[in-house]
Amino acid sequence: AQSVTQPDIHITVSEGASLELRCNYSYGATPYLFWYVQSPGQGLQLLLKYFSGDTLVQGIKGFEAEFKRSQSSFNLRKPSVHWSDAAEYFCAVNNNDMRFGAGTRLTVKP
Amino acid sequence: DTGVSQDPRHKITKRGQNVTFRCDPISEHNRLYWYRQTLGQGPEFLTYFQNEAQLEKSRLLSDRFSAERPKGSFSTLEIQRTEQGDSAMYLCASSPGRTYNEQFFGPGTRLTVL
Repeated sequence: AQSVTQPDIHITVSEGASLELRCNYSYGATPYLFWYVQSPGQGLQLLLKYFSGDTLVQGIKGFEAEFKRSQSSFNLRKPSVHWSDAAEYFCAVNNNDMRFGAGTRLTVKP
Repeated sequence: DTGVSQDPRHKITKRGQNVTFRCDPISEHNRLYWYRQTLGQGPEFLTYFQNEAQLEKSRLLSDRFSAERPKGSFSTLEIQRTEQGDSAMYLCASSPGRTYNEQFFGPGTRLTVL
């Protein structure tokens, strides 16, 4: 069965520092992968998606993610974090139904 | 606002009562999904519709949960005989017809069962 693992429950970074959030998936074929962000009291907003083609995908708000088939990973990165990036981040894989990881909560220090 | 809307945003009920939530998808989207999200977890898929047809319902949490989308537009999720363990955020999402499209989420309905 397909599954998604986000190893880091909580990450704290300083404003202006780089960020990498990890995501590993388990799925037999090429997965359809997504990163969503959820701010308190808000619905989930799509940051980026990977279906096929270039393994480095660009998203909104300066985020990018790289699909690595050999590592079954789809890590999210941002070169310089802003205080407004503090939120919960979810990785997801979609094959008829969307499976989400447990999320990584990002705290940004001033 | 042309996004996914959900009503109510918050619902407090007593154990044993029935509750019903409504979701209005983006108008041109023919797929509609329901999820449950508990504290500290990612959304958990419950069921989905393509137009008015419910194509997957085996993941509904129990027979107390049911969903409808009678005219292929809005949908309702009903929980009968609520239990304290049903307290959670219930999320609705919609997408265009292709299976692997991204889903657009509503703000959710937060249910508290006392």
